[in-house]
Amino acid sequence: DAKTTQPPSMDCAEGRAANLPCNHSTISGNEYVYWYRQIHSQGPQYIIHGLKNNETNEMASLIITEDRKSSTLILPHATLRDTAVYYCIVRVGGGSNYKLTFGKGTLLTVNP
Amino acid sequence: DADVTQTPRNRITKTGKRIMLECSQTKGHDRMYWYRQDPGLGLRLIYYSFDVKDINKGEISDGYSVSRQAQAKFSLSLESAIPNQTALYFCATSDSTGVGYTFGSGTRLTVV
Repeated sequence: DAKTTQPPSMDCAEGRAANLPCNHSTISGNEYVYWYRQIHSQGPQYIIHGLKNNETNEMASLIITEDRKSSTLILPHATLRDTAVYYCIVRVGGGSNYKLTFGKGTLLTVNP
Repeated sequence: DADVTQTPRNRITKTGKRIMLECSQTKGHDRMYWYRQDPGLGLRLIYYSFDVKDINKGEISDGYSVSRQAQAKFSLSLESAIPNQTALYFCATSDSTGVGYTFGSGTRLTVV
């Protein structure tokens, strides 16, 4: 699986958009980008995933660069409850060997 | 009821004792996983099972064993607990596509 690089921490003002970057320069053509978050010692929560097209769901948007070497998770209107560690994971999608490997992630702190 | 239930939520045990952590799920998923999280670190995979007859070691399986009693149940055992196994343990499930893991609330284990 390709390695990912994320900043260890970021701050965001409540109500503003939070843009969390992830570098995955060694990603291969069949690897997906997944985002999870973990709110203070709770179990991680799936947010979104994508291959090469931008994706949006009720929680967030995922923007993947054209060369797929980096991506950005966007929380459009961050709230205090979005304070969490956000994990960017690159993994081959589906298949018999599918399993997730978590790095240290980015601690996003949303400030009032 | 939670989709993935872990018991106990908290446990303090003595060095050398055998302890079992239990996980049950109502998602109907075939795949189940055990992860460990140490303070300030990401999650590390201990064992995983893709169906009832399948058990695989993860990156840190030494000192642990597992049992997949049924599709819905996956237990983690520490045969002889040691203090450096003090950690937060998470169970997770996924369907065969592997998209979107569902995690339990975790078991906080302290070995004294």
